[in-house]
Amino acid sequence: GQQLNQSPQSMFIQEGEDVSMNCTSSSIFNTWLWYKQDPGEGPVLLIALYKAGELTSNGRLTAQFGITRKDSFLNISASIPSDVGIYFCAGQQQGGSEKLVFGKGMKLTVNP
Amino acid sequence: EAGVAQSPRYKIIEKRQSVAFWCNPISGHATLYWYQQILGQGPKLLIQFQNNGVVDDSQLPKDRFSAERLKGVDSTLKIQPAKLEDSAVYLCASSAATSGDDDTQYFGPGTRLTVL
Repeated sequence: GQQLNQSPQSMFIQEGEDVSMNCTSSSIFNTWLWYKQDPGEGPVLLIALYKAGELTSNGRLTAQFGITRKDSFLNISASIPSDVGIYFCAGQQQGGSEKLVFGKGMKLTVNP
Repeated sequence: EAGVAQSPRYKIIEKRQSVAFWCNPISGHATLYWYQQILGQGPKLLIQFQNNGVVDDSQLPKDRFSAERLKGVDSTLKIQPAKLEDSAVYLCASSAATSGDDDTQYFGPGTRLTVL
């Protein structure tokens, strides 16, 4: 089946530091999404990207849709303790209500 | 606005037993999804409904898993009989539109299943 390669798998950072993570695929996706999952909860959408080359921000979060449509990255600036959690990239080949294909996730730990 | 509701939150069973999970989507959402999330992995789609019809069940192990959404609202996912490898979190999600570019999937808290 389709797979998204997400890296790094985990990061330990100090509060205030920036962190970046990326996601690559062997297939083209027309929509890229970034989710955050807290323990015992379902994933929550952070940012959605719909156009190749698009750069979108949501507060301290910035994400980009790669030009090749096969990759995306997420950057979190000035991290705070509540940024702790697991971050997933997800792609849709057609968009709309189509199923999401998820990466394996990146576990972020922020030391106060 | 109430979110996606799931029950139970936790379930422990022995292998070869049966189990059922329930999902109530966000009111008015036409599309409902069941995902399986194994520990350390991202969610994987099991089945997608649009109203009460199945859109995609290509990754559903149909010899043991079944799902229904009889009235196009609530849905149940059943495993019969369960295997050890079915231990996972089962996530339900729903989305509003039947088509379109902006169609966020909202996830419930999940049901954590442990098969012993």
